[in-house]
Amino acid sequence: DAMVIQNPRYQVTQFGKPVTLSCSQTLNHNVMYWYQQKSSQAPKLLFHYYDKDFNNEADTPDNFQSRRPNTSFCFLDIRSPGLGDAAMYLCATSGPGTGGGETQYFGPGTRLLVL
Amino acid sequence: AQTVTQSQPEMSVQEAETVTLSCTYDTSESDYYLFWYKQPPSRQMILVIRQEAYKQQNATENRFSVNFQKAAKSFSLKISDSQLGDAAMYFCAYRTRIMNNDMRFGAGTRLTVKP
Repeated sequence: DAMVIQNPRYQVTQFGKPVTLSCSQTLNHNVMYWYQQKSSQAPKLLFHYYDKDFNNEADTPDNFQSRRPNTSFCFLDIRSPGLGDAAMYLCATSGPGTGGGETQYFGPGTRLLVL
Repeated sequence: AQTVTQSQPEMSVQEAETVTLSCTYDTSESDYYLFWYKQPPSRQMILVIRQEAYKQQNATENRFSVNFQKAAKSFSLKISDSQLGDAAMYFCAYRTRIMNNDMRFGAGTRLTVKP
């Protein structure tokens, strides 16, 4: 089945130690998103890629970066995690042909713990 | 800016009964999409139902239906014959037709299903 995959599901890192979260998709969607979701809150968009074009939300801290080496993969890099960055990180995709292009399909998320 | 409001932080329903979750939104656009997403505890966010603003007919997916009132900017979700597996956080979301990054989520409603 076509899907959005996130690895790892749980990630523990130390304060200030760089960490990378991964997302891959088999849907062949051209748009990929990264959201941060804190406990009992709505997802907050960090940035997205439209094909290779990177689009950053205005309030996304510089500490968060992203890479998309190809259509299938997208990475979230947190350069110096702080305690406030502990959250669930959701990857989502959208694209033409599935759901009309406007629907976002989410991965299972990676829960990040910062010690 | 578009905003989405879910005024019910928590709702509960008896198994096999019907429950309605409320959502209102604010926009100056005339063409947009509305969504209900379900996020079970520690599980993936999945699409429940989608409504296109230019369609007057309310969307239906099995036991899930919406009451879309465009003039009132209201988009409620009705769950009929509630099941234990319906227990989850439900997010109402809005996006414009044009922009890929313009998905706005409400704060969510936590639904409990009582056996």
